[in-house]
Amino acid sequence: ETGVTQSPTHLIKTRGQQVTLRCSSQSGHNTVSWYQQALGQGPQFIFQYYREEENGRGNFPPRFSGLQFPNYSSELNVNALELDDSALYLCASSLEENNGSPLHFGNGTRLTVT
Amino acid sequence: QQQVKQSPQSLIVQKGGISIINCAYENTAFDYFPWYQQFPGKGPALLIAIRPDVSEKKEGRFTISFNKSAKQFSLHIMDSQPGDSATYFCAASGGATNKLIFGTGTLLAVQP
Repeated sequence: ETGVTQSPTHLIKTRGQQVTLRCSSQSGHNTVSWYQQALGQGPQFIFQYYREEENGRGNFPPRFSGLQFPNYSSELNVNALELDDSALYLCASSLEENNGSPLHFGNGTRLTVT
Repeated sequence: QQQVKQSPQSLIVQKGGISIINCAYENTAFDYFPWYQQFPGKGPALLIAIRPDVSEKKEGRFTISFNKSAKQFSLHIMDSQPGDSATYFCAASGGATNKLIFGTGTLLAVQP
């Protein structure tokens, strides 16, 4: 059983650019969630996808968008990057979207916006 | 009302000692309380979790104590080891989805 993998591990972008981060969920996991972790802070919920449909969204603007594919892979897209978007972006998969279904996190993508 | 407040921000414990990290919440709809451990360069990993129908849950050296009336819960690490040195996050969720609200983290250093 493979875990959650994310790519790339590190990324440097310029303000105003667009970025796509990728995640491969654990096999059989129907739900993927994305979190943003600023330095020295706890992860903050961006959104969740369940069976390829957005299933919940945190307090993030529309320039943060996502996709989930049938092969357990997913993407986080961020348009018009801002300096404050610099953070560790974590993907987490779970068997179900139900409360209490454990989240399995990847090691994240470290995004730096200059 | 959505916040989970965590303390202390950092903690230094001697090897063999007990590490205690505390969290408090406001939202009474929360009904699932996990603790995550994060090492540098890694994603958070689930350590232990509790539901409010029990006041304590123990797994090996890790124990969660839960006080529903005070809306507080804590993680106790018994016989702390240098390998336990990491950042610990409490979290909470409630309702239909497993969206987690995380605390701000506690950086634990266990000195040999």
